[in-house]
Amino acid sequence: DGGITQSPKYLFRKEGQNVTLSCEQNLNHDAMYWYRQDPGQGLRLIYYSQIVNDFQKGDIAEGYSVSREKKESFPLTVTSAQKNPTAFYLCASSIDRDRVGEETQYFGPGTRLLVL
Amino acid sequence: AQSVTQPDIHITVSEGASLELRCNYSYGATPYLFWYVQSPGQGLQLLLKYFSGDTLVQGIKGFEAEFKRSQSSFNLRKPSVHWSDAAEYFCAVGAPETGNQFYFGTGTSLTVIP
Repeated sequence: DGGITQSPKYLFRKEGQNVTLSCEQNLNHDAMYWYRQDPGQGLRLIYYSQIVNDFQKGDIAEGYSVSREKKESFPLTVTSAQKNPTAFYLCASSIDRDRVGEETQYFGPGTRLLVL
Repeated sequence: AQSVTQPDIHITVSEGASLELRCNYSYGATPYLFWYVQSPGQGLQLLLKYFSGDTLVQGIKGFEAEFKRSQSSFNLRKPSVHWSDAAEYFCAVGAPETGNQFYFGTGTSLTVIP
């Protein structure tokens, strides 16, 4: 079955630690996205990528980093510079790299990050 | 700046009653409009979308939405709510002029009472 997988489902971070959230898709989609979801704030875009080895900052990129070495993978690293990382993180993808912002985005099940 | 407003943070309806969730957007041109649903602790599932053409669009699970340009609205409706519809609903707006981004509303939480 085609879809988007995110792992782990729950992740704990200690102070000063970097952690990496995994996102994999087998939909052959060009574009991939990372969102952060906080209660009462909807979804906010962290980073997106339209093509391998290229990515763009979203509205809240500070304290985060990404890579896109393979079309199907778009991992997100939450660095120690992100002072309030506790949130629900959602990965998404869409088909056409030239229609980002126009096409349907398909979402993974999410990763909840908690700070110890 | 583009924005999406969902004025109702939380709505409670009785099972079998009709439902309307409001969404207003701030954007000059004709946007691409979406409604997503999210169950607790899960990702988002697309209910329906509007790109162009007929302003009344049908989606999954018996939902429909109507695009009203004059009111900058894209309200979601369902004639008879089922208990399984209890979830969080998000309206989203996208277009290439938005800088390749979707803008999401803050969501409306739906409770269904028997």
